[in-house]
Amino acid sequence: EVQLVESGGGLVQPGGSLRLSCAASGFTFSDYSMNWVRQAPGKGLQWVSYISTSNTIYYADSVKGRFTISRDNAKNSLYLEMNSLRDEDTAVYYCARVRGYNYGFSFDYWGQGTLVTVSS
Amino acid sequence: QTVVTQEPSFSVSPGGTVTLTCGLTSGSVSTSYYPSWYQQTPGQAPRTLIYSTNTRSSGVPNRFSGSILGNKAALTITGAQADDESDYYCVLYMGNGIWVFGGGTKLTVL
Repeated sequence: EVQLVESGGGLVQPGGSLRLSCAASGFTFSDYSMNWVRQAPGKGLQWVSYISTSNTIYYADSVKGRFTISRDNAKNSLYLEMNSLRDEDTAVYYCARVRGYNYGFSFDYWGQGTLVTVSS
Repeated sequence: QTVVTQEPSFSVSPGGTVTLTCGLTSGSVSTSYYPSWYQQTPGQAPRTLIYSTNTRSSGVPNRFSGSILGNKAALTITGAQADDESDYYCVLYMGNGIWVFGGGTKLTVL
């Protein structure tokens, strides 16, 4: 069974840092690209960052220069290092598995999310 | 900046048919954007309904269908049921590892 489990969320002050993790199981992690998607309280979904199987990386403009995505295939884990956090970064952060061209670059499995609250 | 548009809310009667749309503020949505649709209930992670415009994800009932209608992607629910009451999100793949979500549609079944 495919499982994605996020951790690392919590309360942090503006300007602070946090590192999120996503532990993957039930599939060959190194074979899949991964995304981070977030959802502010009461708001819609927002794509945050992408990492391919070969470590090609992209970011949404809103987090570029502040967030860093990475993966450790040996540990079946995805990470999101978040620096210079702002109030507007408050959200539930989901990791999601990405399927390739034959599946329309869609997200087929999602974790349950971890809440990041940026507040003084 | 690319903005993906969705109706903020929609209402459908049980057993009725509803079509939710997904557009662009500038340009048309085509299959080249590989539109996909996700259903989300409060407190839950999203669930994939449709990918590549019109392919149902595994286990999704056939009352859900996707298409291109005019210059928008569309999600049609035929024979709506009470447990279809959810938020629905479309997302377009812009290429180069970049996706843009629509703002979501809150569907009420009553």
